[in-house]
Amino acid sequence: EVQLVESGGGLVQPGGSLRLSCAASGFTFSNSWMHWVRQTPGKGLVWVSHITSDGRSATYADSVKDRFTVSRDNAKNMLYLQMNSLRAEDTALYYCARPHRGLYNSGWYDYWGQGTLVTVSS
Amino acid sequence: EVVLTQSPATLSASPGERVTLSCRASQNLNSNLAWYQQKPGQAPRPLIYDASTRATGTPPRFSGSGSGTEFTLTVSSLHSEDFAIYFCQQNNTWPWTFGQGTKVEIK
Repeated sequence: EVQLVESGGGLVQPGGSLRLSCAASGFTFSNSWMHWVRQTPGKGLVWVSHITSDGRSATYADSVKDRFTVSRDNAKNMLYLQMNSLRAEDTALYYCARPHRGLYNSGWYDYWGQGTLVTVSS
Repeated sequence: EVVLTQSPATLSASPGERVTLSCRASQNLNSNLAWYQQKPGQAPRPLIYDASTRATGTPPRFSGSGSGTEFTLTVSSLHSEDFAIYFCQQNNTWPWTFGQGTKVEIK
């Protein structure tokens, strides 16, 4: 059974940092591209970043570029999102999600984690 | 960036009713559209991909149609477990984007 379990969310002050983790199991993680998607009541679901299966390349939404860094440890089946210079507008529920079968351009997400809540506030 | 506009924002219906949700795109998506269902406290669950293909486990009462800029999700007969929020998502162009959702509530 495929499972994605996020952790690391919490309350952080503006300008602060946080690292989210996503533990993957039930599939060959090292063969799978992975994404981060966030959700807020106001903006809904928004794609944040994705990373190639080997971790060598990543892409980011303009809103988080140069502040967030996605990485992975395929030996540990772990996905990470390092978030720096956090702003109030980064407050959201953050999901890790697998594109269908882990394929780059499959077009849709077949598995999601339960999400981890990040709150940026003073 | 592709903008997806879902309508209505909220739909009130009774169990057994047939409902149709709309998703309109700001540019041609061909058939590169997916639908998800989300219940409170849960992650989105995929229902439909490639505009009309049911994902594994999606009941046959759910159907998707459309291409280009106009798409619909139809539930032929609402069950109690279908009251939820439904999102469309396009994958024709990076970045992948989502609609704002349609909430299907009990009338």
